[in-house]
Amino acid sequence: GAVVSQHPSWVICKSGTSVKIECRSLDFQATTMFWYRQFPKQSLMLMATSNEGSKATYEQGVEKDKFLINHASLTLSTLTVTSAHPEDSSFYICSASRASGYEQYFGPGTRLTVT
Amino acid sequence: AQSVSQHNHHVILSEAASLELGCNYSYGGTVNLFWYVQYPGQHLQLLLKYFSGDPLVKGIKGFEAEFIKSKFSFNLRKPSVQWSDTAEYFCAVNKGRGQGGKLIFGQGTELSVKP
Repeated sequence: GAVVSQHPSWVICKSGTSVKIECRSLDFQATTMFWYRQFPKQSLMLMATSNEGSKATYEQGVEKDKFLINHASLTLSTLTVTSAHPEDSSFYICSASRASGYEQYFGPGTRLTVT
Repeated sequence: AQSVSQHNHHVILSEAASLELGCNYSYGGTVNLFWYVQYPGQHLQLLLKYFSGDPLVKGIKGFEAEFIKSKFSFNLRKPSVQWSDTAEYFCAVNKGRGQGGKLIFGQGTELSVKP
């Protein structure tokens, strides 16, 4: 149990376009989902926390208008990178947790390359 | 600000050697502590976690960690490593219950085990 999927696993887009990444909890209901960014050989940096049905809470320094997060259901959260630029190229990872506990289950990540 | 520090960036061991990876955190309140592993090309997996109780925590694959509150430390240990333990290891902390569950990750330690 506690499986989290992400789609797509890898995406290439042109500079100036937008790309949407999906995060799904497959076998449990996720009240809270988290979005992280990981640069090569570096740690995960939390971008934002989203609770089902409410606005996401962004970490300091993360542009909320650039990284749009929607958590419309208990099994799906989406991250849209708007007007992507090469510096947005990174590995984006989501995680999900049930309401009652604090353990986060991580998705496999999405590699975004902006050309 | 709350932070997590992993002392070793890259550790190289031979098979059967003992392993200890250091982790220190800066938050003074109640914390939950985690060690995650990321095998090459795979997603983060939970090795072990500490919420309360016995400060010596046993996890999967023969790993254990000891929470020493006075030292703000949560070091990961394994008595005898295998080649298959080659991976990136992340220590993470979140605040106690009611604090939203945000995980703060350390920088990660790359472990290379030589056969």
